[in-house]
Amino acid sequence: EVQLVESGGGLVQPGRSLRLSCVASGFNFDDYAMHWVRQVPGRGLEWVSGITWKSDSVAYADSVKGRFTISRDNAKNSLYLQMNSLRPEDTALYYCARVGSRWGDWEWFDPWGQGALVTVSS
Amino acid sequence: EIVVTQSPATLSVSPGDGATLSCRASQSVSSNIAWYQQKPGQAPRLLIYGASTRAAGIPARFSGSGSGSVFTLTVSSLQSEDFAVYYCQHYNNWPHPYTFGQGTMLEIK
Repeated sequence: EVQLVESGGGLVQPGRSLRLSCVASGFNFDDYAMHWVRQVPGRGLEWVSGITWKSDSVAYADSVKGRFTISRDNAKNSLYLQMNSLRPEDTALYYCARVGSRWGDWEWFDPWGQGALVTVSS
Repeated sequence: EIVVTQSPATLSVSPGDGATLSCRASQSVSSNIAWYQQKPGQAPRLLIYGASTRAAGIPARFSGSGSGSVFTLTVSSLQSEDFAVYYCQHYNNWPHPYTFGQGTMLEIK
């Protein structure tokens, strides 16, 4: 069974940092691009960042560019999101998502993890 | 940057009836449109990709159509489990690879 499990969420003060992790299982992690998507509770979806399966390209939403860094460790089947200089507007549920097909980078997402809640507040 | 707009924001439909949800892009996006279903407390689930291809395990009552800038998700004969929020997504658009619509809530009439 394909599974994505996020961790690392929590309450953090504005200006501080947090690192999210996503552990994948049930598929060959090396062959798939991975992404982060966030959702303010009760609101819509916002793509945050993505990394290609070869790790040769990354992309960020303008709202997080320069503050967030995406990375992956294929040996650990893990995806990360380093979030620095956090702002109250970064408060959201952060989902890890795999692209739909092997070796595709900027495709649809399937499946999604259950999310990690990040709350930025003093 | 391409803007994706969904309509209506809320659609009230009786069980057993059909529903048509709309997704419009601000410019042509070829067929790079996906549809997701999200139920309360759950992660989104892929329904349709490539504008019209059903994802694995998705019932045939869900169908997608369209190309260019106008897309439609049709749900025929609504079941109780179909009442949820539906999002369309434009993908593969460098340097802004992804844009989501604001969602359509499909509610029981």
